[in-house]
Amino acid sequence: GQQVMQIPQYQHVQEGEDFTTYCNSSTTLSNIQWYKQRPGGHPVFLIQLVKSGEVKKQKRLTFQFGEAKKNSSLHITATQTTDVGTYFCAAGSYQLTFGKGTKLSVIP
Amino acid sequence: DAMVIQNPRYQVTQFGKPVTLSCSQTLNHNVMYWYQQKSSQAPKLLFHYYDKDFNNEADTPDNFQSRRPNTSFCFLDIRSPGLGDAAMYLCATSRGNGQETQYFGPGTRLLVL
Repeated sequence: GQQVMQIPQYQHVQEGEDFTTYCNSSTTLSNIQWYKQRPGGHPVFLIQLVKSGEVKKQKRLTFQFGEAKKNSSLHITATQTTDVGTYFCAAGSYQLTFGKGTKLSVIP
Repeated sequence: DAMVIQNPRYQVTQFGKPVTLSCSQTLNHNVMYWYQQKSSQAPKLLFHYYDKDFNNEADTPDNFQSRRPNTSFCFLDIRSPGLGDAAMYLCATSRGNGQETQYFGPGTRLLVL
């Protein structure tokens, strides 16, 4: 399966600060998906990126897929306490390989 | 309305005692997955069914088996649970048409005593 590295592992931010998590692969990815898992919850699909250089926005969340389709990022503008959770990137089709995730803590 | 349902939400079993976890879906999706997630780790795919076709991950222990009697239901059988099998077990589904967004159930947390 496709391997993805995700950094940072943890991120603590003050409420209102921005947050970014990065996902990298040594091979070209056919697509990348992003999931959010709240504490005690299950992964919830956020978005899928398939095109080189693709940028998608969901309110304060901006997702990018690199030109070479080897990296992706999720950026949250002006974090809120509701953004708390672990954000995973995942690559593959049926056999998704998840990155290790970035655990976001937001200090009110 | 719940789309991917897992029962029970919490399961306690004894070391070596077989246990079955269940998953059902109302989405009529072709693909069903079982993941194992340990604390502070990413979900790890154990196996998936595309319709009735079973696909096992190479590193999934033989101790883990699965059954899918129909489109809606899928079961995870752990034949002889060890202490290391204590984890959250997540069921997920996807359409199977190439747009493989996965919809996860709430999970079953397994405790092995």
